[in-house]
Amino acid sequence: SAVISQKPSRDICQRGTSLTIQCQVDSQVTMMFWYRQQPGQSLTLIATANQGSEATYESGFVIDKFPISRPNLTFSTLTVSNMSPEDSSIYLCSVDSRGTYNEQFFGPGTRLTVL
Amino acid sequence: AQSVAQPEDQVNVAEGNPLTVKCTYSVSGNPYLFWYVQYPNRGLQFLLKYITGDNLVKGSYGFEAEFNKSQTSFHLKKPSALVSDSALYFCAVRDRGSQGNLIFGKGTKLSVKP
Repeated sequence: SAVISQKPSRDICQRGTSLTIQCQVDSQVTMMFWYRQQPGQSLTLIATANQGSEATYESGFVIDKFPISRPNLTFSTLTVSNMSPEDSSIYLCSVDSRGTYNEQFFGPGTRLTVL
Repeated sequence: AQSVAQPEDQVNVAEGNPLTVKCTYSVSGNPYLFWYVQYPNRGLQFLLKYITGDNLVKGSYGFEAEFNKSQTSFHLKKPSALVSDSALYFCAVRDRGSQGNLIFGKGTKLSVKP
């Protein structure tokens, strides 16, 4: 299984600011995924990030609000821009195991609170 | 549209008793099926999966799940619950025909009392 770390583990931010979340994997992976888990809710996919190409965003999520970088096969960042209290969530990155159609492994998450 | 239903927000079980956490899905074709567990302030941990073959799959921590194609269900089970099993459990599906992101149910909180 892949070992995934995220930074920061949690943060409290002011409305209107931006936060960049880092995701580091201990092995090279083709696809990385970013999810949002709002309080008391399930996980919702924000976007899929392939190295060397633009991220693919799910319905309801846009690049201006959630820009993603994927500079190499072990690292990705998600920025939450111009934050509002509604952005308070846990943000998780994940990777596929051994290619597609298998289970995904998740990072520990970043707990974001926007005041 | 693809969807996953976990009909119970919470399941309460006494330690030592069997537990079942229910999951049904609505996906075209034959999906891949997964269970994950989330402990407080932790990320998601993979428990088990069904890809093909035997309908009863065994996973981590003594959990198992039964795939029932006719009922489109994938219920999570454990013969004897532990207090340490108390956590949030998510069922997820993945469409075989697509590049395939996971679609999660809303989660079921399992509470095991001593």
